[in-house]
Amino acid sequence: DIQMTQSPSAMSASVGDRVTITCRASQGINTHLVWFQQKPGKVPRRLIYGSFRLESGVSSRFSGSGSGTEFTLTINSLQPEDFATYYCQQHNSFPLTFGGGTKVEIK
Amino acid sequence: EVQLVESGGGLVRPGESLRLSCAASGFTFSSYNMNWVRQAPGKGLEWVSFISKNGDNPNYADSVQGRFTISRDNAQNVLYLHVNNLRVEDTAVYYCGRTTAFDLLGQGTLVTVSS
Repeated sequence: DIQMTQSPSAMSASVGDRVTITCRASQGINTHLVWFQQKPGKVPRRLIYGSFRLESGVSSRFSGSGSGTEFTLTINSLQPEDFATYYCQQHNSFPLTFGGGTKVEIK
Repeated sequence: EVQLVESGGGLVRPGESLRLSCAASGFTFSSYNMNWVRQAPGKGLEWVSFISKNGDNPNYADSVQGRFTISRDNAQNVLYLHVNNLRVEDTAVYYCGRTTAFDLLGQGTLVTVSS
């Protein structure tokens, strides 16, 4: 199984900050990586697919990068609506696996 | 509108069974592979099962292998998850999702397993 390790697991940030979340795969997954945002009580929302492709309707503040085993999600100029939990997910092979999540909280 | 709508969740006792449904609309259901994913209260996301476009090649997480069965009815545009011999640790919101990259997710249905 491919393990997905996200870091940090939680962080505090201020409005306007630039935030970077890292996701490491235990083996290479090419660019078969997705990022989700989830707010409490809500359905996860896909932000990024194919490692760097922005989902339609998602703010350009969000960007993704990486290939192989190292991936990052960057949020430029953090906005109040961006405080949420973020998950990465690989779909290179079964079982599909998710990172443990990164909770972005208000400082 | 392109959407997935789950139903069938509820409160059951350990060892009991349920059938979860996911009704697809607004797109050609038979053209897409489908998945189930779940989220236990306060926890992260866990993939549960996959089924290909034509219903072949089901795949399951080890945690549900032998207890859960995925199926689909392409004529009715419905995805199913038959969940048998439920355990307390199966308590979660169950989401159906389109493709292995989850380009579309339903709103979820809650399954609570408790004695």
